[in-house]
Amino acid sequence: DTAVSQTPKYLVTQMGNDKSIKCEQNLGHDTMYWYKQDSKKFLKIMFSYNNKELIINETVPNRFSPKSPDKAHLNLHINSLELGDSAVYFCASSQGKGSPQHFGDGTRLSIL
Amino acid sequence: AQSVTQLDSQVPVFEEAPVELRCNYSSSVSVYLFWYVQYPNQGLQLLLKYLSGSTLVKGINGFEAEFNKSQTSFHLRKPSVHISDTAEYFCAVSPRAGYSTLTFGKGTMLLVSP
Repeated sequence: DTAVSQTPKYLVTQMGNDKSIKCEQNLGHDTMYWYKQDSKKFLKIMFSYNNKELIINETVPNRFSPKSPDKAHLNLHINSLELGDSAVYFCASSQGKGSPQHFGDGTRLSIL
Repeated sequence: AQSVTQLDSQVPVFEEAPVELRCNYSSSVSVYLFWYVQYPNQGLQLLLKYLSGSTLVKGINGFEAEFNKSQTSFHLRKPSVHISDTAEYFCAVSPRAGYSTLTFGKGTMLLVSP
């Protein structure tokens, strides 16, 4: 069973469109995250939710809006996509201080 | 705030040779330390972690790392690498207090050739 699953795996779309990425974890963790990996493979935290509450929002444009309907799901909606949004977006989850984060396989977003 | 420096962007090595991937960190607070591996077109997989106790930690696939508090380093080692170890390796830290987000280094590409 996949622990952290993201859909879709690939997303190719045009500038100006709105798109969503979904994430689900079946590990029973209470904290979920979105990370962005750029073309140089640098990983940076975007958002973190703990028990459906937003706890981290790292200077991400307002066009990005996370939503957590329950603690097993964390979705990412992006409005008015720009060329610079092209990246791989990773979802992760963890439970408690010091526990390692478990990552999904990523969503590769390409903006034409 | 924390920062992580991985001194080598790429490390080429021959199969069965030993390897060390270097990681230094800077933080105003006490941190936990992690190494993750990313195979092509895949997510990140935890190799090992240092939380407390013995400064030498062993992980999966024969990797180990040593925490050195005075040098703020957490170098990753393997005595004999395989072709299948070719991947991107990320060092990361998270604060012991407050929220557990990871701050990553820029990664080191380990290239193992026959």
